[in-house]
Amino acid sequence: AQRVTQPEKLLSVFKGAPVELKCNYSYSGSPELFWYVQYSRQRLQLLLRHISRESIKGFTADLNKGETSFHLKKPFAQEEDSAMYYCALSYSGTYKYIFGTGTRLKVLA
Amino acid sequence: EPEVTQTPSHQVTQMGQEVILRCVPISNHLYFYWYRQILGQKVEFLVSFYNNEISEKSEIFDDQFSVERPDGSNFTLKIRSTKLEDSAMYFCASSGGHSGNTIYFGEGSWLTVV
Repeated sequence: AQRVTQPEKLLSVFKGAPVELKCNYSYSGSPELFWYVQYSRQRLQLLLRHISRESIKGFTADLNKGETSFHLKKPFAQEEDSAMYYCALSYSGTYKYIFGTGTRLKVLA
Repeated sequence: EPEVTQTPSHQVTQMGQEVILRCVPISNHLYFYWYRQILGQKVEFLVSFYNNEISEKSEIFDDQFSVERPDGSNFTLKIRSTKLEDSAMYFCASSGGHSGNTIYFGEGSWLTVV
């Protein structure tokens, strides 16, 4: 069955430090991967999708099919990056997303 | 920028009562969804809706749940007889049109069943 794993519930880093939020997936075909961010009391917002290969707010993510990973990275964390981050998977034949359990990122001053 | 809007933002209801959660998807979108997030747990897919019918549903979406698009703009989730375990944040979402299959979420409706 398709699954998304985010092993860290909470990640605390200091401002200016590099950040890596881990995401692994299980799906035998060609998935589409997304990162969503949820700031306090706000909606889930699309941060990145692997197809677009763009950098948003300094975040990047590369799909590694060999390791079935889609880790989210940022070289220098900022306080305003503090939020919940969800990795999500979509796949052929469906329009739904399967979400990971989320990682709360806390960037400390 | 167009957004998915949901009402109410918070509803408290007694166990056994019926609840209707309302959503206005983004206007040119074709696919509509409901997701649920129980406090402290992950976001779970409930149902997708396309061309005026359910296209996919999860095992959570049992007979007590139903969805409807009563007019050209609203998309509703009805829970017929609420249970304590239905307490959760319910997210409406939509996709399609120019956004492709990227899903855009509403702010959620927090349902508390007492």
